[in-house]
Amino acid sequence: KNEVEQSPQNLTAQEGEFITINCSYSVGISALHWLQQHPGGGIVSLFMLSSGKKKHGRLIATINIQEKHSSLHITASHPRDSAVYICAVRSWGNEKLTFGTGTRLTIIP
Amino acid sequence: KAGVTQTPRYLIKTRGQQVTLSCSPISGHRSVSWYQQTPGQGLQFLFEYFSETQRNKGNFPGRFSGRQFSNSRSEMNVSTLELGDSALYLCASSSPPGQTTYEQYFGPGTRLTVT
Repeated sequence: KNEVEQSPQNLTAQEGEFITINCSYSVGISALHWLQQHPGGGIVSLFMLSSGKKKHGRLIATINIQEKHSSLHITASHPRDSAVYICAVRSWGNEKLTFGTGTRLTIIP
Repeated sequence: KAGVTQTPRYLIKTRGQQVTLSCSPISGHRSVSWYQQTPGQGLQFLFEYFSETQRNKGNFPGRFSGRQFSNSRSEMNVSTLELGDSALYLCASSSPPGQTTYEQYFGPGTRLTVT
């Protein structure tokens, strides 16, 4: 079993829909990152969380430490949100990142 | 502030050759991490350097090595290239340690193709 599991693997939605991507992990962590990767490869860090909830524009990230679960929400989705979204966790005492397999999101106009 | 830069952006090598990739972190960042991304394995941690010292290492063979210079620039080297080393190699820099939750800033990556 992978240390970091994401669901769904692929998601296609209509423009304007509310999007939720889930991430579950099995190890104790010091932080969880949500990353966005567009075609061509560049990765942008969207959020870094250790507790609670963060919001940036139309993006919201939440984390439940007790349940070892995080969600990334996109409100009023837009075709430019189409990308691969990757969850990554940083373990306690070992600062390396372990990545989920990513969720490929496609927003149709 | 300039972002993380990686050179070269694209590289084609032959099996058995060796390759060196370079990463310049954001000014003031002292930690540099390297990652390999392949379609089959996804993103995997290679190693992390801080102040010229390797602090963490992933599960890669000894053919993969790296170093960091006094100006925080980092290089990674892959010797005796194999077809399976074809991948996107990403580096990321982060703000000074002492914070358990420091943010990582990724470079654009070097796409290596081994033929």
